[in-house]
Amino acid sequence: QKEVEQNSGPLSVPEGAIASLNCTYSDRVSQSFFWYRQYSGKSPELIMSIYSNGDKEDGRFTAQLNKASQYVSLLIRDSQPSDSATYLCAVDVNYGQNFVFGPGTRLSVLP
Amino acid sequence: EAQVTQNPRYLITVTGKKLTVTCSQNMNHEYMSWYRQDPGLGLRQIYYSMNVEATDKGDVPEGYKVSRKEKRNFPLILESPSPNQTSLYFCASRDSIYGYTFGSGTRLTVV
Repeated sequence: QKEVEQNSGPLSVPEGAIASLNCTYSDRVSQSFFWYRQYSGKSPELIMSIYSNGDKEDGRFTAQLNKASQYVSLLIRDSQPSDSATYLCAVDVNYGQNFVFGPGTRLSVLP
Repeated sequence: EAQVTQNPRYLITVTGKKLTVTCSQNMNHEYMSWYRQDPGLGLRQIYYSMNVEATDKGDVPEGYKVSRKEKRNFPLILESPSPNQTSLYFCASRDSIYGYTFGSGTRLTVV
């Protein structure tokens, strides 16, 4: 059973702070890793992808991947109330034949 | 505009009445998937397709059928819907590298 776990929420941070979201996965052959943001009642929206160990930055978002530890994280700097959403970690196992989502972490950014 | 279009957005039906949810993408993507999202259970993959005439079961395929006769279309068929199939359904498509792009969702209620 391929599993993707995320830190349980909800996570609350004050406006302007750094939000840290974590994800672990069970299948060592996983190749690609993605972070999605989902607002209530809306469809998931892809915000970051990462394929190799290390950090990848895109604006206020930084994804970090450590394949040895089977761990991927998302940092959101200068958090804004508009960042309040559920963040989903997704793992592509076996070259697209299994694309598994974690349960999500709900983030609230307090003004 | 690159998008995944699914219809209808909302559907209320009765137990046992066959229905089809349509999905179409205009990005020439190879991969397409259907997910259902339920509170507390997250996004679960129903079926996926790697290309025309190539489909496979996801994690929760029971009670569903799919077909992929054209690259752009991937309909989801419920031959005899039951109340436990009441859910929010998402169609999604991707190429071999990037993550899935999701449709707007179909909220299905089976009474």
